[in-house]
Amino acid sequence: AQSVTQLDSQVPVFEEAPVELRCNYSSSVSVYLFWYVQYPNQGLQLLLKYLSGSTLVKGINGFEAEFNKSQTSFHLRKPSVHISDTAEYFCAVSERYALNFGKGTSLLVTP
Amino acid sequence: DVKVTQSSRYLVKRTGEKVFLECVQDMDHENMFWYRQDPGLGLRLIYFSYDVKMKEKGDIPEGYSVSREKKERFSLILESASTNQTSMYLCASSVDGHNSPLHFGNGTRLTVT
Repeated sequence: AQSVTQLDSQVPVFEEAPVELRCNYSSSVSVYLFWYVQYPNQGLQLLLKYLSGSTLVKGINGFEAEFNKSQTSFHLRKPSVHISDTAEYFCAVSERYALNFGKGTSLLVTP
Repeated sequence: DVKVTQSSRYLVKRTGEKVFLECVQDMDHENMFWYRQDPGLGLRLIYFSYDVKMKEKGDIPEGYSVSREKKERFSLILESASTNQTSMYLCASSVDGHNSPLHFGNGTRLTVT
């Protein structure tokens, strides 16, 4: 089964600082990768997805991710975070019809 | 915009009760899913359905069953609720295909006492 590993369970960062949330995937074959965000007391919202093509993927709210096949990584980045980016972030890989999710990274942005 | 609606936001049930969690999507999606979310464990797939009356087990199907009699509705059933089923339950849907993103509902927080 395809799987992802999110390397940090919590990432504290100051407002306006850059952030990187790390994700590694297991598969050596073609993969479809996703990042989701979950704000408190809400469901998951799609941030961005990599299906093929350009390895740099831009998403909503100023986030982007880079697909790196040699390092089997799909790290999420934002050059300057805002307080409102405080949330849980999930990396996921496609497995047949469903998605397999990582355990999540809690991003805490403080003033 | 896709809307996935879960019938209850919070639910409290007693051990041994039969529990129904309902989910409806309004975008004619073929696939529907039930995930369970627990702190430190992320999301784990319980069951999914790729067509009416069709279902497949996910990673943690024990203690659960599902029903999909209509395309837009996917129900999760806890035959005899237990305290270890206290969790957040998330329903999702997607169009056909193996690389489609999932659209999630807001979740049902179930407490079994």
